[in-house]
Amino acid sequence: AQSVTQPDIHITVSEGASLELRCNYSYGATPYLFWYVQSPGQGLQLLLKYFSGDTLVQGIKGFEAEFKRSQSSFNLRKPSVHWSDAAEYFCAVGPPGGQNFVFGPGTRLSVLP
Amino acid sequence: EAQVTQNPRYLITVTGKKLTVTCSQNMNHEYMSWYRQDPGLGLRQIYYSMNVEVTDKGDVPEGYKVSRKEKRNFPLILESPSPNQTSLYFCASRGIPIGEQFFGPGTRLTVL
Repeated sequence: AQSVTQPDIHITVSEGASLELRCNYSYGATPYLFWYVQSPGQGLQLLLKYFSGDTLVQGIKGFEAEFKRSQSSFNLRKPSVHWSDAAEYFCAVGPPGGQNFVFGPGTRLSVLP
Repeated sequence: EAQVTQNPRYLITVTGKKLTVTCSQNMNHEYMSWYRQDPGLGLRQIYYSMNVEVTDKGDVPEGYKVSRKEKRNFPLILESPSPNQTSLYFCASRGIPIGEQFFGPGTRLTVL
C-alpha cells in the first residue's frame, strides 16, 4: 500500500535560517509528488509538484524540492525562512493519471523572530 | 475566480442526524475528492470521483456517501453521523491531465 511519512512533526527555525522538511514515500512505481502548505485556519495551497524530468523542482514562495528515486524521498527546502512561512506542510503522492492521493501527517513549522 | 466552495463552513450536529456538506467547483474539472483532516494523521481521502456518475472509495469511506450527478457538484453525505466523524473536511478538484488539486476552504464538523 502506498504511504507517505514526514518524520518531523514540528520544526522550529529562526527567521533567515535555511529549512529542509523531509518526506519519504512508499509506492510501487514513481508517483506524482506534491508539497502543500496550510496556514492556520486556511485551506491547502500547492507549493510545487513533480511529475517527471528534472529532479529539482522550483515552487512558489521561494521553495524547492528534490526528488531522489533511490531514497524514495521528496524533501522540501528553502534557503531563508520568513516569519510568514509558519504553517503546516504536507507531502502527498498520487498515481500517475489517477486520483487516489495519499497525504503525509504533516510537519508544523514555527519561525522565531 | 476559479474556486471550490463548500457549505456549510461550520456545523455542529448530534449523533444520527443526517447531514450533507455541499461542494461545488467552477473550473469544469473532471476529478473531485473529499478528504478529512485529523491531527497527526494529515488528510485522508474519503471518496473520489473521476466524472459524472463515477465514484470510488478512498482510504476511509465508512460512514460516508457521495454522489456526482453534475460535473460541478460533489456532495458528501453522512446518513447517521457519529462522534468519530468529528473532523475538518476538505473538498478538492482537479482537471485532466493531472495537475494541482484545488481545495475548498474546509468544513469543520462536530458531532455530539
